[in-house]
Amino acid sequence: DSGVTQTPKHLITATGQRVTLRCSPRSGDLSVYWYQQSLDQGLQFLIQYYNGEERAKGNILERFSAQQFPDLHSELNLSSLELGDSALYFCASSTGTSTANEQFFGPGTRLTVL
Amino acid sequence: GNSVTQMEGPVTLSEEAFLTINCTYTATGYPSLFWYVQYPGEGLQLLLKATKADDKGSNKGFEATYRKETTSFHLEKGSVQVSDSAVYFCALSAYNNNDMRFGAGTRLTVKP
Repeated sequence: DSGVTQTPKHLITATGQRVTLRCSPRSGDLSVYWYQQSLDQGLQFLIQYYNGEERAKGNILERFSAQQFPDLHSELNLSSLELGDSALYFCASSTGTSTANEQFFGPGTRLTVL
Repeated sequence: GNSVTQMEGPVTLSEEAFLTINCTYTATGYPSLFWYVQYPGEGLQLLLKATKADDKGSNKGFEATYRKETTSFHLEKGSVQVSDSAVYFCALSAYNNNDMRFGAGTRLTVKP
């Protein structure tokens, strides 16, 4: 158990809809990262937040957004969903700001867009 | 841009066989390099890391050496066990920003 929790575990929705994925980092970790894992694109870094502020952006689509709240949990919002957004979405956390620090991954949320 | 290339799988070995999974990278400057492992149904776990040239990362019998001259970070283990069956990801973190890149992953199956 990494100490990172993600909800929900599974999510099934339709094209055009909007969903919110939630992540709670390990106790004491200030950085939260979001990743998308799909068969065709592999594991892609989406975005990082550190102590409530956006720290780094990866291959995140404009239809996607994220935020980190004062209690340090984070939410990833996916809107205008397309079939290609079906994937496993991971959250990870670490202590500092650098991605060179060890990241602890949650179990993931599997999103299926029908 | 930054990228990681690792050998395609799947790799199937017998217990106690020697394991090598090749990984090469492209990056500006001096990235940090990692191997993460993903067991079935779980998130990724850090296996080992190296932050500068010639560093050797090691953990649980796995080793990888940061080779700047060949831009490589190959994963090795002398004697694999059934419990090592998992997907292994090579990754880099660029030194001057937080650009985190992962390889495609290599699925390892170890048979008794």
